[in-house]
Amino acid sequence: SQQGEEDPQALSIQEGENATMNCSYKTSINNLQWYRQNSGRGLVHLILIRSNEREKHSGRLRVTLDTSKKSSSLLITASRAADTASYFCAPSSGSARQLTFGSGTQLTVLP
Amino acid sequence: GAVVSQHPSWVICKSGTSVKIECRSLDFQATTMFWYRQFPKQSLMLMATSNEGSKATYEQGVEKDKFLINHASLTLSTLTVTSAHPEDSSFYICSAVPGLKETQYFGPGTRLLVL
Repeated sequence: SQQGEEDPQALSIQEGENATMNCSYKTSINNLQWYRQNSGRGLVHLILIRSNEREKHSGRLRVTLDTSKKSSSLLITASRAADTASYFCAPSSGSARQLTFGSGTQLTVLP
Repeated sequence: GAVVSQHPSWVICKSGTSVKIECRSLDFQATTMFWYRQFPKQSLMLMATSNEGSKATYEQGVEKDKFLINHASLTLSTLTVTSAHPEDSSFYICSAVPGLKETQYFGPGTRLLVL
């Protein structure tokens, strides 16, 4: 499995604003997943986007995938204090279900 | 759906003792489970892949005799930290994959403190 690199490392915004975080990877993928981790907790799966998809929505989340640039972005609209967490991307290739996590983006939403 | 539990949620033990952590998929069967370790302010590091009915596959640098993994059923995997030392203190997280799907569902984690 390959590791995604999230950018920025840290992001601080006001409640109600949008938050955008990016992920880059190195080799071709079958799919890419985004996970959230609240402090001291396990990860929560947010969304999976396949290599033949360009955009996917789930509630206030919007994920894009650009395979030509080997990058993905996660947009959280109308952010809430409860969105404060670390966000990780996990690119996956081949049939392996093993995932490797990068350092993540630490999002802080200020009330 | 797709709920994974871990027990205990936290444990404090003396140096030299062994600690067992359970990971259960509550509403699905998981042929594959993963064990991770996370140090403060760091990312998750994969320790091993646990496959039901077969031996676990350990990542490079992870001692298989120290971190014993047993995946005895399709809903339960256990991680035993043998002869624990203070440097083993960490946050241990498991995940499980339903059937042939690609998404991992994570447990809430177990915080281990070795005195």
